[in-house]
Amino acid sequence: EAGVAQSPRYKIIEKRQSVAFWCNPISGHATLYWYQQILGQGPKLLIQFQNNGVVDDSQLPKDRFSAERLKGVDSTLKIQPAKLEDSAVYLCASSLDRDRGWDYGYTFGSGTRLTVV
Amino acid sequence: DAKTTQPTSMDCAEGRAANLPCNHSTISGNEYVYWYRQIHSQGPQYIIHGLKNNETNEMASLIITEDRKSSTLILPHATLRDTAVYYCIDQTGANNLFFGTGTRLTVIP
Repeated sequence: EAGVAQSPRYKIIEKRQSVAFWCNPISGHATLYWYQQILGQGPKLLIQFQNNGVVDDSQLPKDRFSAERLKGVDSTLKIQPAKLEDSAVYLCASSLDRDRGWDYGYTFGSGTRLTVV
Repeated sequence: DAKTTQPTSMDCAEGRAANLPCNHSTISGNEYVYWYRQIHSQGPQYIIHGLKNNETNEMASLIITEDRKSSTLILPHATLRDTAVYYCIDQTGANNLFFGTGTRLTVIP
């Protein structure tokens, strides 16, 4: 089966600019996650969707970050305006079902590496 | 915050078994132990998970102590491609993955 697709692979922007990342999960996976991974650290959850609804966005800096999954499939994560500390890899993951993610594990994409200068 | 503790780094000779320990002393009865690994410039990859019993799949074996406060991931014959950061995570079914900083395993030729 095809994996989790993310684009772009790399992005360089200046601070205060905006940027958007796109994720296409594995077909049939109801749950989608966005993680932020700062260099040298483990990934940190930003937001979790179940179909097109938000399950957990408690760690999302809502003053500048937004995410949507309008049709319950693809998702977009946006940062506006970007800060230097937003430089990180943004990972998208999906699982078959929120309540059965433990059964099958999560599948991660390769991520988008964002550099804010 | 991550609820598991792992050594920062480990080395293993190619062809030998790699044994990666993890302490999860606060794990509750319904929390699974998950292992993921992250190869450079890639997203984390699921390896194995378990609740009480030891588990084995095509990638690795997972040994969980009887009190469930620690576990060991075993890669039976490490190859250079196993060089990665290995994350041990305790997780309930509906909760999210909380990653720590993991163990950086280097397989040496």
